[in-house]
Amino acid sequence: GENVEQHPSTLSVQEGDSAVIKCTYSDSASNYFPWYKQELGKRPQLIIDIRSNVGEKKDQRIAVTLNKTAKHFSLHITETQPEDSAVYFCAAVMYNNNDMRFGAGTRLTVKP
Amino acid sequence: ETGVTQSPTHLIKTRGQQVTLRCSSQSGHNTVSWYQQALGQGPQFIFQYYREEENGRGNFPPRFSGLQFPNYSSELNVNALELDDSALYLCASSPPSGSTDTQYFGPGTRLTVL
Repeated sequence: GENVEQHPSTLSVQEGDSAVIKCTYSDSASNYFPWYKQELGKRPQLIIDIRSNVGEKKDQRIAVTLNKTAKHFSLHITETQPEDSAVYFCAAVMYNNNDMRFGAGTRLTVKP
Repeated sequence: ETGVTQSPTHLIKTRGQQVTLRCSSQSGHNTVSWYQQALGQGPQFIFQYYREEENGRGNFPPRFSGLQFPNYSSELNVNALELDDSALYLCASSPPSGSTDTQYFGPGTRLTVL
């Protein structure tokens, strides 16, 4: 089955700096990679996702890159703000499969 | 907000008891997945329901079971509760197959087993 590793486990940045979170996956058949943000006591919320037919996707301050050959994908947050502080999870799944595998999470702290 | 709802929000049970958690999927979504999220960890897939049938299962024992109803809402049942079952239980719904496999999460039910 799929195995997703996520690094770092904690990340602290100064407001305005960029943050990068990296994930690797093991199953080359995985083709859908969402990122979720989870604030304390709240539900995971989808912030961006990417499919294996593209290498990069951007939505305002958030971007995701995918390297299928190396089987890794990354989340990039630019111009970080204190409200970006949360736990971020990457995940990987095969299209129309049912077992979405999550990384262990990265706790991002943005210091004002 | 995504429209996925769960009940109850919190629940306290004792070891050996049984529990039923409920999930209402987002309008138009016919697939519901259940996850267990232990403190400080990522969600772990329990099982998925599609058109009232179990459509895949993660590495959880048979005492974890579920149902999906004709309106696509779903239940998660856990029998013979153990202390390690204490966790946040999340359900996620997704649209009909072939459109997108994006999953949208509910707020979760926090289960404490004493």
